[in-house]
Amino acid sequence: DAGVIQSPRHEVTEMGQEVTLRCKPISGHDYLFWYRQTMMRGLELLIYFNNNVPIDDSGMPEDRFSAKMPNASFSTLKIQPSEPRDSAVYFCASSLGRQGEQYFGPGTRLTVT
Amino acid sequence: ELKVEQNPLFLSMQEGKNYTIYCNYSTTSDRLYWYRQDPGKSLESLFVLLSNGAVKQEGRLMASLDTKARLSTLHITAAVHDLSATYFCAVVDRDGGATNKLIFGTGTLLAVQP
Repeated sequence: DAGVIQSPRHEVTEMGQEVTLRCKPISGHDYLFWYRQTMMRGLELLIYFNNNVPIDDSGMPEDRFSAKMPNASFSTLKIQPSEPRDSAVYFCASSLGRQGEQYFGPGTRLTVT
Repeated sequence: ELKVEQNPLFLSMQEGKNYTIYCNYSTTSDRLYWYRQDPGKSLESLFVLLSNGAVKQEGRLMASLDTKARLSTLHITAAVHDLSATYFCAVVDRDGGATNKLIFGTGTLLAVQP
């Protein structure tokens, strides 16, 4: 299996622009998670899905952030408009079942100037 | 709200020495993970600990779990340079049973010096 796939790996954008991060979970996994990693706040869970349905979005920082999972093999995290404080590494992870171990993708390093 | 504390934040070790990283968590959980992260890389799962008294070992790393004390340790034996990385513990937050959220510790940056 190819593992969790994320794109792009690096994104540099200007403040105010829309940014879309993409994730393909491991085939057959029914949970998908979005995390953000920064020096100041460490690793934070933003949102997670079960069977394509958002279960907990309490970690989403504000309305500028939105996430969708239109099907079992694809999810997006969108930031509109982006701000410099959104600069971080965004990880996607997936797992099989409620007890399953989470497998992390390579991450997207976002820089907002 | 589940909180996870890890210490130390930074650990500089000499090769061949032993040391322990500690992970404390604030509320009951049934699952704890240890991850390794190399600079600029993703997280690699090292261990999953499920029950009180669980001990797992892989090479020079050994992890243990005391659910009564809400404490996990990651012990490093005879450190080598290749172990230099950031180590995270993460605790599953069941939050009444419905969730599958991981709450991460702050991470321990381990630097093994020759």
